[in-house]
Amino acid sequence: AQKITQTQPGMFVQEKEAVTLDCTYDTSDQSYGLFWYKQPSSGEMIFLIYQGSYDEQNATEGRYSLNFQKARKSANLVISASQLGDSAMYFCAMREGLGAGNMLTFGGGTRLMVKP
Amino acid sequence: NAGVTQTPKFQVLKTGQSMTLQCAQDMNHEYMSWYRQDPGMGLRLIHYSVGAGITDQGEVPNGYNVSRSTTEDFPLRLLSAAPSQTSVYFCASSTAGGKRAFFGQGTRLTVV
Repeated sequence: AQKITQTQPGMFVQEKEAVTLDCTYDTSDQSYGLFWYKQPSSGEMIFLIYQGSYDEQNATEGRYSLNFQKARKSANLVISASQLGDSAMYFCAMREGLGAGNMLTFGGGTRLMVKP
Repeated sequence: NAGVTQTPKFQVLKTGQSMTLQCAQDMNHEYMSWYRQDPGMGLRLIHYSVGAGITDQGEVPNGYNVSRSTTEDFPLRLLSAAPSQTSVYFCASSTAGGKRAFFGQGTRLTVV
């Protein structure tokens, strides 16, 4: 079974609108971490946001927030007020275990295209 | 403020050639990893290290060797390159429970 599933291969959003990118995960560990990375066309991996399994509040970083629903095993990324520079691939990833460092399992990604 | 540095950025190899992809980090991180990214896909873990002298296999280790003699460096060796190893390779580092994995800029490898 897929450990990280991103069901939206591609999405369009109008500039200045909010958008939600879906991510569901599968793990039997109680301790895990969820990450979102952005990959622009230049290819680098840009860290966006992190949510730990024991964090009671949803993580936020500027225009990015993570809608963490533990019982449903979902960790959706919400981008508010989309900008043209948000056009990129977005990857959800999971680390299983407290001390697993950067051993991540990635989803297949969602390509976001922001329309002017 | 170097972070994670990978060299080279681009490489073309002939089938059967060997080469080493270099990765260095200056953040004193214990954990380092190598990933590959094939077109249109997410990253997949090749090998990882939890400290100097300790390495282990990830999801797709076949055809690759690693060693970690220092905290800073984690080279990835291709012993006999195959076209199936054409990919973009990323090195990453972090602390054990870090809330962020730091990635290098990637190495685009083509095997012909």
